[in-house]
Amino acid sequence: AQKVTQAQTEISVVEKEDVTLDCVYETRDTTYYLFWYKQPPSGELVFLIRRNSFDEQNEISGRYSWNFQKSTSSFNFTITASQVVDSAVYFCALSESSARQLTFGSGTQLTVLP
Amino acid sequence: KAGVTQTPRYLIKTRGQQVTLSCSPISGHRSVSWYQQTPGQGLQFLFEYFSETQRNKGNFPGRFSGRQFSNSRSEMNVSTLELGDSALYLCASSSGQGNNLFTETQYFGPGTRLLVL
Repeated sequence: AQKVTQAQTEISVVEKEDVTLDCVYETRDTTYYLFWYKQPPSGELVFLIRRNSFDEQNEISGRYSWNFQKSTSSFNFTITASQVVDSAVYFCALSESSARQLTFGSGTQLTVLP
Repeated sequence: KAGVTQTPRYLIKTRGQQVTLSCSPISGHRSVSWYQQTPGQGLQFLFEYFSETQRNKGNFPGRFSGRQFSNSRSEMNVSTLELGDSALYLCASSSGQGNNLFTETQYFGPGTRLLVL
């Protein structure tokens, strides 16, 4: 069975600091998909990025970057120069190739202080 | 394009009652998935509907059921409510055309917050 672990329950940083959110996953599938979602206080989950298991190329999008390493089963997310508006709960999720459902980690509450 | 809408946004019920929640997907989307979010269990998949048929089901008791209408709107029903059913219920819509969730993005609604007293 698949599992996603986000060991950091809460992180607090001061604005303009860089912050990395950790995600470790477990799956027996060789084909799987990884996702990051953001949940602001309003409640809806906002899609940020997805990666398939065959693409270990890291990605940078503006202030966001993702580091996918199959060797350590990790899919970490970094926010550079954090802003107060980045405050939210961030979820890492996994979907196996044969399933049309997401398995979520427990989430990391990020608070960016002014 | 309007996003995913869920009604009602907040609901208070008592134990033993039943409740129906509604989700209207993004126009053109035919797949609707439901998730339950609680502080203790986190986000858990309930079920997915596509073209009025349940295509996928999570590990929840039979008290949790759903349906989808011809216009792709979906409802989920919880019968004989228990205190532990208090949660944020999120629905997600997607095109439904792909074989997996990599080829299509799921868009989530704001959720319905259910409190069972």
